[in-house]
Amino acid sequence: QQQVRQSPQSLTVWEGETAILNCSYEDSTFNYFPWYQQFPGEGPALLISIRSVSDKKEDGRFTIFFNKREKKLSLHITDSQPGDSATYFCAASDAGTQVVGQLTFGRGTRLQVYA
Amino acid sequence: GPKVLQIPSHQIIDMGQMVTLNCDPVSNHLYFYWYKQILGQQMEFLVNFYNGKVMEKSKLFKDQFSVERPDGSYFTLKIQPTALEDSAVYFCASSFRQYEQYFGPGTRLTVL
Repeated sequence: QQQVRQSPQSLTVWEGETAILNCSYEDSTFNYFPWYQQFPGEGPALLISIRSVSDKKEDGRFTIFFNKREKKLSLHITDSQPGDSATYFCAASDAGTQVVGQLTFGRGTRLQVYA
Repeated sequence: GPKVLQIPSHQIIDMGQMVTLNCDPVSNHLYFYWYKQILGQQMEFLVNFYNGKVMEKSKLFKDQFSVERPDGSYFTLKIQPTALEDSAVYFCASSFRQYEQYFGPGTRLTVL
């Protein structure tokens, strides 16, 4: 059973549009949710993260919306640029307990931004 | 952002041989991790390491796997002996606290 699910599997938007990437999770003990951006041939790069005490986190063009009751979150990328074309991973952790920051990853959303 | 390095980028070995994957974590980081990603699947946690000890390992971390970081040098993942199902990309990560893990570019391991 997948603990972290992402949708859609792939997404195509035009330059300037807002891309919305979705994530849901099963384990209610998860309290930390980072998003990673990965380009082909590279490792995942930490993009933005949120803790379960917040319902929104913004960093430039990237915003996480978090709904604890529904166990859902989404990453919004406004004014999408061709350079944003990458695979985006949602991850989750119950950091702060005995577990030392083990991340559970989703399968990723491949984003393509056309100029 | 902070850089984690991994050596080599690609390793091809015969089944049954030993392999050591090397990770050069961010210099002031205290926590170290290995993850495994099979092609087309999500990245999965293998093990984390803190203060010279394994803190937690998943069921993917078989008895043939071991990790160490002797004298603050490379953080290594050793597989002995290797099996066909060990073929994957292995990502190393490090963090200063329990949050904000920074990943290396991965080592693609091919077991023939």
